[in-house]
Amino acid sequence: QQQVKQSPQSLIVQKGGIPIINCAYENTAFDYFPWYQQFPGKGPALLIAIRPDVSEKKEGRFTISFNKSAKQFSLHIMDSQPGDSATYFCAASNPNTGNQFYFGTGTSLTVIP
Amino acid sequence: DAMVIQNPRYQVTQFGKPVTLSCSQTLNHNVMYWYQQKSSQAPKLLFHYYDKDFNNEADTPDNFQSRRPNTSFCFLDIRSPGLGDAAMYLCATSRAPRGDEQFFGPGTRLTVL
Repeated sequence: QQQVKQSPQSLIVQKGGIPIINCAYENTAFDYFPWYQQFPGKGPALLIAIRPDVSEKKEGRFTISFNKSAKQFSLHIMDSQPGDSATYFCAASNPNTGNQFYFGTGTSLTVIP
Repeated sequence: DAMVIQNPRYQVTQFGKPVTLSCSQTLNHNVMYWYQQKSSQAPKLLFHYYDKDFNNEADTPDNFQSRRPNTSFCFLDIRSPGLGDAAMYLCATSRAPRGDEQFFGPGTRLTVL
């Protein structure tokens, strides 16, 4: 059973575009929602994270929008650059199961110059 | 710089030949995790240590074992690697087991011949 569903699987945008990646979850016990960025051959690196007490968080060009009632959250990348081309994973953490991260299936983003 | 280090970065083994992957951290974090990531898939948690307490995921094969001799080091032992065990193995750490950021190492790419 996939605890966190992520879409789309892949995304291609032009430089300067605003790619949006969506995630949905069912378990209302989740209380921490990070986004990780992974380049080929490297480990995932934390990009930005949010807790359910806020609806939006911005860090630089990256914004998380969080809709608690819909159990959905999304990543927006403003003014996307070719260097943003990577795989993006959303995740959710359940404090009742020892901080196990439930990862989405990943989105491969390509930003065309 | 504080970090999570994995050795080796690339490991080739033969079918059925035991192999050990190493992870060390300079972050002094309580929790260390081992993930398996196959091509174009999300990382899958195998097990984690909270200090010396070992937590095995229910679907982790018995073929996979782990040791944590001290705070800084954690090892992944694959007793009899099969072709299906070829993957990237990621080590991660976090300060506490509740909703905290996980810091990932660069991974070890395992090839099974």
